[in-house]
Amino acid sequence: DADVTQTPRNRITKTGKRIMLECSQTKGHDRMYWYRQDPGLGLQLIYYSFDVKDINKGEISDGYSVSRQAQAKFSLSLESAIPNQTALYFCATSDPHGSLSYNEQFFGPGTRLTVL
Amino acid sequence: AQKVTQAQTEISVVEKEDVTLDCVYETRDTTYYLFWYKQPPSGELVFLIRRNSFDEQNEISGRYSWNFQKSTSSFNFTITASQVVDSAVYFCALSEKGYSTLTFGKGTMLLVSP
Repeated sequence: DADVTQTPRNRITKTGKRIMLECSQTKGHDRMYWYRQDPGLGLQLIYYSFDVKDINKGEISDGYSVSRQAQAKFSLSLESAIPNQTALYFCATSDPHGSLSYNEQFFGPGTRLTVL
Repeated sequence: AQKVTQAQTEISVVEKEDVTLDCVYETRDTTYYLFWYKQPPSGELVFLIRRNSFDEQNEISGRYSWNFQKSTSSFNFTITASQVVDSAVYFCALSEKGYSTLTFGKGTMLLVSP
């Protein structure tokens, strides 16, 4: 079973709709992240959370909100979706403890979102 | 602020050619980590390698090799004898020790034709 899972894997929605993307992990990591990938722009950080009570904005948080329901779950919401939020969304986790952690992040398979 | 630049947006080679993907980074931190990820057409991100700023030893792993040079702030990736299955987008990324988020380059699309 995958360590980091994302649901749904694909979603098509209409402008103005509210949509939630979910991320779950079995790695036991405290830190979780949401990234967005647009063609030719690499991955950009939307939000991140270092523990259940901690939420931080990334580079491109406008139009998004998040919820850290538990250590294992981190959800991303688009309150009113717009076409330029069409992108590939990745969730990731990391564990900063240990001298060899390298800040390495473990990525989910991605959610492809299309807003019409 | 940290920054990663991948100047090559797209590279096309013929199978069996060697190809080097360039990555230049900027950081004010003395302790940092560098990564290469591969994204095949299926879309998932595949981790390839990581290096910390204290480890400039270059590495060869099969057909892959990496050249980390702090003096030029570069972390380049070479594929020897490329294969069609190497076709993908390759991302270089940077993380500073005290700030565990990743900063990605914009990626280099590698197309290997038969």
